[in-house]
Amino acid sequence: GQQVMQIPQYQHVQEGEDFTTYCNSSTTLSNIQWYKQRPGGHPVFLIQLVKSGEVKKQKRLTFQFGEAKKNSSLHITATQTTDVGTYFCAGRGSNYKLTFGKGTLLTVNP
Amino acid sequence: KAGVTQTPRYLIKTRGQQVTLSCSPISGHRSVSWYQQTPGQGLQFLFEYFSETQRNKGNFPGRFSGRQFSNSRSEMNVSTLELGDSALYLCASSYSQGFSAEAFFGQGTRLTVV
Repeated sequence: GQQVMQIPQYQHVQEGEDFTTYCNSSTTLSNIQWYKQRPGGHPVFLIQLVKSGEVKKQKRLTFQFGEAKKNSSLHITATQTTDVGTYFCAGRGSNYKLTFGKGTLLTVNP
Repeated sequence: KAGVTQTPRYLIKTRGQQVTLSCSPISGHRSVSWYQQTPGQGLQFLFEYFSETQRNKGNFPGRFSGRQFSNSRSEMNVSTLELGDSALYLCASSYSQGFSAEAFFGQGTRLTVV
């Protein structure tokens, strides 16, 4: 079945440093979504990428979808303490099933 | 509008018992998905319901079952509980089952099996 791998599992940065998490799917995706889960909270939708090679920005966050629609990345520029949390990618396959990666836990040292 | 509501928020059960968790989706949403979240495994897909029909199923044993009612509310049931079933169970609703459907998550039900 469809598998979505996400790396790294953990990332600790100093405030102001950049952060990137990567997502790879075993199959071609219809689209990919990104979620953020704050400690003790529930996943919250950030964005969806649909087109091959698509790049979207949300303030300091940049999301990319690979040309083959099998990989994606989330890059945060100049991290802040408010960025702390676990970032999940979720790939949607042809059967509409949303498969989540295991997430990257980001901690930020002020 | 109100978000996704899951009840109860916390639950402690004994091995061998069964449990039923409830999820009320956002008004107008017809798709409900269930996930199991554990520290080591992340978000594991359980099943998805759309218009009272199970549309997708994850790789969980038959002890895990669910259903959806005509008002889109959903329940999931776990029978013969095992210690390993201790987890946060998250429900997510979407407006449709379409490929562009964004998932809105509830706060989850934290189940502890002792």
